[in-house]
Amino acid sequence: RKEVEQDPGPFNVPEGATVAFNCTYSNSASQSFFWYRQDCRKEPKLLMSVYSSGNEDGRFTAQLNRASQYISLLIRDSKLSDSATYLCVGLNTDKLIFGTGTRLQVFP
Amino acid sequence: EAQVTQNPRYLITVTGKKLTVTCSQNMNHEYMSWYRQDPGLGLRQIYYSMNVEVTDKGDVPEGYKVSRKEKRNFPLILESPSPNQTSLYFCASFASSYEQYFGPGTRLTVT
Repeated sequence: RKEVEQDPGPFNVPEGATVAFNCTYSNSASQSFFWYRQDCRKEPKLLMSVYSSGNEDGRFTAQLNRASQYISLLIRDSKLSDSATYLCVGLNTDKLIFGTGTRLQVFP
Repeated sequence: EAQVTQNPRYLITVTGKKLTVTCSQNMNHEYMSWYRQDPGLGLRQIYYSMNVEVTDKGDVPEGYKVSRKEKRNFPLILESPSPNQTSLYFCASFASSYEQYFGPGTRLTVT
């Protein structure tokens, strides 16, 4: 089993929709989690960190559920520019473990 | 501007011909890392370095070498490239916040 698992998608949603991705992790010792965004053939960029009970940044909300060992990313009012692959990342003893990513496609 | 640079960005080479991919960061980060990204497998760590002259293996180190003689540079060396090393390579650096800054990537094809 992979240490960090994501549904690869793609998630196809219309502009303005709300979409949520989940990511599960197997190592309960993982200390922190992050969401990175990666555009096609480009480098990943940090979208947001997820600490303890989660956080919110504009249209983006990340939640952490330690009991069920999953992290979620909620995007409200989707924009065309949100189309990308979203990588879930766990931190365990100074080592970052990347999920394979969930692809989002927002259409007009 | 804070950045990580990699060169070359694209490279096509033949089996067995030694090559080096350079990586440089201007943020004075202590931690640097190399990843490869393959379809369906995500980002996998090749090697990392916690500081100058300190390097360690990641998850897929076979066939690669690295060095860290200066803080800003962390080159990736393929002594004898093989077709299974065809991949998209990213260099990254970060400080204590664990926010990784990635280079633009190097697309390597080994024939």
